[in-house]
Amino acid sequence: DAKTTQPPSMDCAEGRAANLPCNHSTISGNEYVYWYRQIHSQGPQYIIHGLKNNETNEMASLIITEDRKSSTLILPHATLRDTAVYYCIVRGYNQGGKLIFGQGTELSVKP
Amino acid sequence: ETGVTQSPTHLIKTRGQQVTLRCSSQSGHNTVSWYQQALGQGPQFIFQYYREEENGRGNFPPRFSGLQFPNYSSELNVNALELDDSALYLCASSVNTGTGSYEQYFGPGTRLTVT
Repeated sequence: DAKTTQPPSMDCAEGRAANLPCNHSTISGNEYVYWYRQIHSQGPQYIIHGLKNNETNEMASLIITEDRKSSTLILPHATLRDTAVYYCIVRGYNQGGKLIFGQGTELSVKP
Repeated sequence: ETGVTQSPTHLIKTRGQQVTLRCSSQSGHNTVSWYQQALGQGPQFIFQYYREEENGRGNFPPRFSGLQFPNYSSELNVNALELDDSALYLCASSVNTGTGSYEQYFGPGTRLTVT
């Protein structure tokens, strides 16, 4: 079973920041938080991951709470092309390539 | 574009038949994972190959098997196809650096329909 909880859907206005929450209250000390997204009928796309520090790359920012029990993915200026299902995944150090996907959050960016 | 390619794009098979799906990893990636995604669901992990050996398996029966070749490309074989095997099959490649932190890059998938 997935170790994360996400809202099933969210809306965001184009040009505004999209803030996608994720709860992972049972996360262990050596487990990373990963975010992927999947645009309809395509393969999932890696976005960002982190352990305990906040992370930023060209796509997004990841904010992890100090107790690591939740995180937020931030898309700073959402566009229509960001409409997708966003998956928050917790992966252990020794899990290798095994990602356990939940249902994710379906983000709709509206004009 | 991730550099991970899969073939074929679409495939239709009959129940009881066997199918082979192929995946070419991104250059330099030594690990391949396969996932099954049923309609409306998140991807489910089937298994992973590292240096030509199976290195982790999800909750799938033995009729799902795989291979990884010296060039790190991979095959997924499914025997005795069932209607429930109809799904999008995804492969993902990554580099196992031993640090516990690495990204996986997914291919576009193969859509398998079993009739």
